[in-house]
Amino acid sequence: GAGVSQTPSNKVTEKGKYVELRCDPISGHTALYWYRQSLGQGPEFLIYFQGTGAADDSGLPNDRFFAVRPEGSVSTLKIQRTERGDSAVYLCASSLTGRRNQETQYFGPGTRLLVL
Amino acid sequence: DAKTTQPPSMDCAEGRAANLPCNHSTISGNEYVYWYRQIHSQGPQYIIHGLKNNETNEMASLIITEDRKSSTLILPHATLRDTAVYYCIVRAETSGSRLTFGEGTQLTVNP
Repeated sequence: GAGVSQTPSNKVTEKGKYVELRCDPISGHTALYWYRQSLGQGPEFLIYFQGTGAADDSGLPNDRFFAVRPEGSVSTLKIQRTERGDSAVYLCASSLTGRRNQETQYFGPGTRLLVL
Repeated sequence: DAKTTQPPSMDCAEGRAANLPCNHSTISGNEYVYWYRQIHSQGPQYIIHGLKNNETNEMASLIITEDRKSSTLILPHATLRDTAVYYCIVRAETSGSRLTFGEGTQLTVNP
């Protein structure tokens, strides 16, 4: 079946602009996660959705970052007033329920964001 | 989540076994050990996980020491396509959500 998909695959923007990154999880997965990966580092957790609600947003770096999942499926990560330091790969993952620590997270290919 | 320590890089000859170590000396009783890998320009890929017993699947074997303070991921017959960064992650029972990645081990399989 289809895996996690993310669009766009690459995004170049200018400092100060607004960007939206989209994630389509695996069908039927209620848990959705966003991570950010800087060059040479492992992914860092940003936010976790259980259905439509954000169950844990403690990884969002500041209030310029916001994410939604209005129908419990597709999620959008929104970044306002982008800064050069926001340049990174933004990864999305999904899992079946998110309620058990044995559950596997399946990752998408990521969106490579470059802020000039 | 318990902190993990991995060597930054390792090399392996194609066709040989690759043994990737991970130290997690502060692991607690209900924390699982997970391994993911990330091939260049792709998202992380789940490999295997375990609690106490050794585990094996079609991709790899996971050996966890009796005191659970360290583990080894074994790729029995490494191929060039196994070149990737391998992450060892300890996942707390109460953090069913996030995965906490370290910097991982860059495994290079050489022809």
